[in-house]
Amino acid sequence: AQRVTQPEKLLSVFKGAPVELKCNYSYSGSPELFWYVQYSRQRLQLLLRHISRESIKGFTADLNKGETSFHLKKPFAQEEDSAMYYCALARSGGYQKVTFGTGTKLQVIP
Amino acid sequence: DVKVTQSSRYLVKRTGEKVFLECVQDMDHENMFWYRQDPGLGLRLIYFSYDVKMKEKGDIPEGYSVSREKKERFSLILESASTNQTSMYLCASRSWGDGYTFGSGTRLTVV
Repeated sequence: AQRVTQPEKLLSVFKGAPVELKCNYSYSGSPELFWYVQYSRQRLQLLLRHISRESIKGFTADLNKGETSFHLKKPFAQEEDSAMYYCALARSGGYQKVTFGTGTKLQVIP
Repeated sequence: DVKVTQSSRYLVKRTGEKVFLECVQDMDHENMFWYRQDPGLGLRLIYFSYDVKMKEKGDIPEGYSVSREKKERFSLILESASTNQTSMYLCASRSWGDGYTFGSGTRLTVV
């Protein structure tokens, strides 16, 4: 079974401080990992995925297979980063079922 | 701009009613999904479909069914609505190897 754990329900940081949103997963195969973001009153949208290795809005995430983690990081938080963040895992191949974590609300304090 | 459209933004239904939630995508995606989103529980998969007339149960299918008669349309059906089905329902579609595109959600209240 695949499982995604986001241990923090709420993360508060000051503007300009570094951000790290934690995500751990369990899956016996080779996973695809994603981060999705939901800004207030907007739809969920894809932020980044590990296979593209992109940096979106200053966020990066590295897949660590040894620690089964995919933490989301940003060196300097901005107020507009305040949102709900979901880590997600998909099986490689197969029917593309995606499992989401319970989400972390990031609050950037001015 | 690619779109996943959910027909209703807010819906109020009575206990025992049969409820239809509609979702349409214009991206020719093979895969479509229904999730419910609840505070503290994240997104939980109800059903998904990887092709027309094909469906698979997700993690919480009880009390729900789905229909996919055309590639672009995926309907979620609550056979007999109950108060514990009050939630935000999210539809998503995905092409093989891509991320999800989500609809804006339907907030269903069952009274």
